[in-house]
Amino acid sequence: EVQLLESGGGLVQPGGSLRLSCAATGFTFSNYAMSWVRQPPGKGLEWVSVITNSGGATFYADSEKGRFTMSRDNSKNTLYLQMNSLTAADTALYYCAKGRGGPNTAIDSWGQGTLVTVSS
Amino acid sequence: DIVMTQSPDSLAVSLGERAAINCKSSQSVLYSSDNKNYLAWYQQKPGQPPKLLIYWASSRESGVPDRFSGSGSGTDFTLTINSLQAEDVAVYYCQHYYSAPFTFGGGTKVEIK
Repeated sequence: EVQLLESGGGLVQPGGSLRLSCAATGFTFSNYAMSWVRQPPGKGLEWVSVITNSGGATFYADSEKGRFTMSRDNSKNTLYLQMNSLTAADTALYYCAKGRGGPNTAIDSWGQGTLVTVSS
Repeated sequence: DIVMTQSPDSLAVSLGERAAINCKSSQSVLYSSDNKNYLAWYQQKPGQPPKLLIYWASSRESGVPDRFSGSGSGTDFTLTINSLQAEDVAVYYCQHYYSAPFTFGGGTKVEIK
């Protein structure tokens, strides 16, 4: 059974940084692209970023480019999202998600999410 | 960037009746080299992460009831729920995965009339 467990969320001040992690089990992590998707409280889904199975390529939403860095450690079956220069608009539940294959595939598994709150 | 527009924002349907949700992309998500539409549908119930229903616009994910179906091609797509059940109350999202950024539609809330 695929399991994705996010961690690292919390309260951070505007301008601050946070690093999210996602521990993956139940599948061959190195075979699949992974994504981050966020959901502001009471709002819809926002795609954040995707990384290829090898970690050789990453793609970001326009609003995250230059501020967020996605990476993975296939030896540890772990996905990361480094978030810098955070603003109130980044407040959301952040989901770790697994693709059905490469980056241009649908998301077939989701974690429960980790909440990031940006506030002074 | 491709913009995904869903309609309606919400709809109320009687139990056993049909619900149809539309999704329009600002440019085609049909990839000519493989003739596939790079579009998915997800269901999200309150307090839960989303769940994949449909991929490649019309392929049903394993375990998804066959009352859920996806159709359309190019820029216009529809998710149809035949014979709506109480457990289908949720918000439904479309998403393209044609070219990054892989944007979502704004969501459609389905309720029981």
